[in-house]
Amino acid sequence: NAGVTQTPKFQVLKTGQSMTLQCAQDMNHEYMSWYRQDPGMGLRLIHYSVGAGITDQGEVPNGYNVSRSTTEDFPLRLLSAAPSQTSVYFCASSRGLGPLATDTQYFGPGTRLTVL
Amino acid sequence: AQSVAQPEDQVNVAEGNPLTVKCTYSVSGNPYLFWYVQYPNRGLQFLLKYITGDNLVKGSYGFEAEFNKSQTSFHLKKPSALVSDSALYFCAVSVRDDYKLSFGAGTTVTVRA
Repeated sequence: NAGVTQTPKFQVLKTGQSMTLQCAQDMNHEYMSWYRQDPGMGLRLIHYSVGAGITDQGEVPNGYNVSRSTTEDFPLRLLSAAPSQTSVYFCASSRGLGPLATDTQYFGPGTRLTVL
Repeated sequence: AQSVAQPEDQVNVAEGNPLTVKCTYSVSGNPYLFWYVQYPNRGLQFLLKYITGDNLVKGSYGFEAEFNKSQTSFHLKKPSALVSDSALYFCAVSVRDDYKLSFGAGTTVTVRA
């Protein structure tokens, strides 16, 4: 199994540009999520999904869109990039069955995004 | 709202000495607690979790953590640190039926030879 994969690894955008960060998992996990990591702030939840066709907002959703058309994929879209979105983005997945909160999350390697 | 505090930004220890990384939490209801580790330029890796039962939880790479409900703490410990334990450590908390995992700010551990 490849686990959780993310592309690209690095990206530089100009303010106002849009892009999609890709995330895929091959573990048949129901739950997927996106986090951003900023120095001194830990990881903050952007959006999450408990299954195909179902998404919801996390702690910091503004400026980001997600969709979940398949179990495997959970892309994150930046509609109009801003310098405040410069960060490292992590995708994670877990089985998400039963009492979801107990399931271990598996993280991808991250995408380092710089917005100029 | 749930939250996690990691009061130390950095912990420095000598190889072979005990290592402790502190974590306190705040939730409504019973907490589910996790420790993750991040090596440079890598994603987070799961170390251990407390769901219910024995307050002392053993995890990967010789790490363990003790859940203390009265002190709302979940400190990570290792009896004898290795240089390879140098990394960024995150504590996280969630509660039953809530799909959100809340992370602390992280603690950088440096183990010197």
